[in-house]
Amino acid sequence: SQQGEEDPQALSIQEGENATMNCSYKTSINNLQWYRQNSGRGLVHLILIRSNEREKHSGRLRVTLDTSKKSSSLLITASRAADTASYFCATDAVGGFQKLVFGTGTRLLVSP
Amino acid sequence: DTGVSQDPRHKITKRGQNVTFRCDPISEHNRLYWYRQTLGQGPEFLTYFQNEAQLEKSRLLSDRFSAERPKGSFSTLEIQRTEQGDSAMYLCASSPGTGSYEQYFGPGTRLTVT
Repeated sequence: SQQGEEDPQALSIQEGENATMNCSYKTSINNLQWYRQNSGRGLVHLILIRSNEREKHSGRLRVTLDTSKKSSSLLITASRAADTASYFCATDAVGGFQKLVFGTGTRLLVSP
Repeated sequence: DTGVSQDPRHKITKRGQNVTFRCDPISEHNRLYWYRQTLGQGPEFLTYFQNEAQLEKSRLLSDRFSAERPKGSFSTLEIQRTEQGDSAMYLCASSPGTGSYEQYFGPGTRLTVT
């Protein structure tokens, strides 16, 4: 079963706007990762945030983590049509041998 | 290309047939994972190898499923007596192991059981 829930399930925005996706999870974690998946393809790693970190940046991506609320958010700034994809959060649970437990995903559509 | 590769990319089979998928991880990655993804869902963990040792198997992996990594390099996933419910994308990922937590995914094998 899926570890977490992502919100919203789908998001439609215009190029240049920011996109925010949220993820909630259930267990104690070592780290939380965000992945992107273009339609019918494999997943691409975007960013990893460790359990002792609260915020991390990578280019146009900003990730926050609140372990007390067991939640994370991914912000994509100045979105582009090429950002159109599904985005998944994945948790590496304590004692989980680094196997990832994925959320349900957010489908992002960025229109030109 | 030094990424994770999977073969075949697509497989159509009739119910009851056996299928085998192959995954070649990134060279020198000692951890290899198999996941299954159905339409509209996130990937779900199936099994995990560290070198040639299979260290964990999900309850999703019924006795019709078997995975091997004989020399600690490539891995195979076999499904015997396929059922329509086995239709999914099967994803392989590898990671270096100690000190590095990102997983690198292959393009997946899409299985359709008719």
